[in-house]
Amino acid sequence: AQSVTQPDIHITVSEGASLELRCNYSYGATPYLFWYVQSPGQGLQLLLKYFSGDTLVQGIKGFEAEFKRSQSSFNLRKPSVHWSDAAEYFCAVGTGTASKLTFGTGTRLQVTL
Amino acid sequence: DTAVSQTPKYLVTQMGNDKSIKCEQNLGHDTMYWYKQDSKKFLKIMFSYNNKELIINETVPNRFSPKSPDKAHLNLHINSLELGDSAVYFCASSPGWGGNTEAFFGQGTRLTVV
Repeated sequence: AQSVTQPDIHITVSEGASLELRCNYSYGATPYLFWYVQSPGQGLQLLLKYFSGDTLVQGIKGFEAEFKRSQSSFNLRKPSVHWSDAAEYFCAVGTGTASKLTFGTGTRLQVTL
Repeated sequence: DTAVSQTPKYLVTQMGNDKSIKCEQNLGHDTMYWYKQDSKKFLKIMFSYNNKELIINETVPNRFSPKSPDKAHLNLHINSLELGDSAVYFCASSPGWGGNTEAFFGQGTRLTVV
């Protein structure tokens, strides 16, 4: 069965600093990969997704992620964090024909001014 | 104009009661879901419906019964509520069926069982 690991439970960065959130997945075939963001009291919003092709994908709000098959990783990056980026970030994998997402445990991002 | 809407947003109820959560999507999607987010923020699929048919039931207790009257609606009824049912329940929808389909989530329903 597939699984997703987000090693960092909580990350704090200063506004304007760069950000990288880690995500590792376990799946035997090519996964479909997603990053979602959840602001306090809100639902989940899709930041970006990878299905195939270029391994560097661009998303909304200035985020990007890179798929590295050799490392089973799909890390999320942003060159300059804004205070409004403070939220919970979830990596997820979709697999094969099963229409469901398997989520990681999330990384809480705190931004200091 | 909300794409996936759930009601109510908050629900506080006593153990043993029966309650329902409603979900509607206006995106024209064929697939709808219920996810549960526990107190540690862990998200897990409960049910997936495609064209009103139940496709995935992730070993959820029988006390939980989803119902899809049409493709735009997926309601969740919970019988004999227990303390452990306290969580945030998210409805979602997607345009297709399969792992390579993006899910659109509602705002969530925070259920508290006392």
